[in-house]
Amino acid sequence: TQLLEQSPQFLSIQEGENLTVYCNSSSVFSSLQWYRQEPGEGPVLLVTVVTGGEVKKLKRLTFQFGDARKDSSLHITAAQPGDTGLYLCAGARSGDDKIIFGKGTRLHILP
Amino acid sequence: NAGVMQNPRHLVRRRGQEARLRCSPMKGHSHVYWYRQLPEEGLKFMVYLQKENIIDESGMPKERFSAEFPKEGPSILRIQQVVRGDSAAYFCASSEQGLDYGYTFGSGTRLTVV
Repeated sequence: TQLLEQSPQFLSIQEGENLTVYCNSSSVFSSLQWYRQEPGEGPVLLVTVVTGGEVKKLKRLTFQFGDARKDSSLHITAAQPGDTGLYLCAGARSGDDKIIFGKGTRLHILP
Repeated sequence: NAGVMQNPRHLVRRRGQEARLRCSPMKGHSHVYWYRQLPEEGLKFMVYLQKENIIDESGMPKERFSAEFPKEGPSILRIQQVVRGDSAAYFCASSEQGLDYGYTFGSGTRLTVV
């Protein structure tokens, strides 16, 4: 059973377009995180959201935590080829001693 | 300030051999986590260690796999009598401030069993 469901699994769009990827769960999380992973490397933490309804911006990336703390979204404005990578949603539930990961959204930005 | 260091980056083993994967956490981090990643799969938790203690090994197969984090030196993930199904990327992560602050990952060890 996958606790964190990410959609879409794959996304290929043209440079300059906007996109949103989603992370959903039936469980409540005390925090959700987004990581980006490039081929041959480990994931790199982009952001952590901890408050229901929280919105965080990182340049052209906007992250939102759902009000009920069960879901999150990542919106990229004016995508660039450098945004290409595997985006992983991850989170910790209250009482957990480790972070669990979704399967990821593989994003490819075409120049 | 070096990040999480994993070695080797690539490891090839024949079926039946032993694989030893090493991880040195970030300076000041005392929590180490090992994850396994297969193609098109997310990261699957294996084991969580603090210095000299295994805290949670619920994701690690009961046979052939073991992990340690000694008082001195790196954390070691050991796989005995490797089989082809063990081929995967193994990532180590460390943290210090609690799970809500996320992990710092190493670059991983890619194990290929031939």
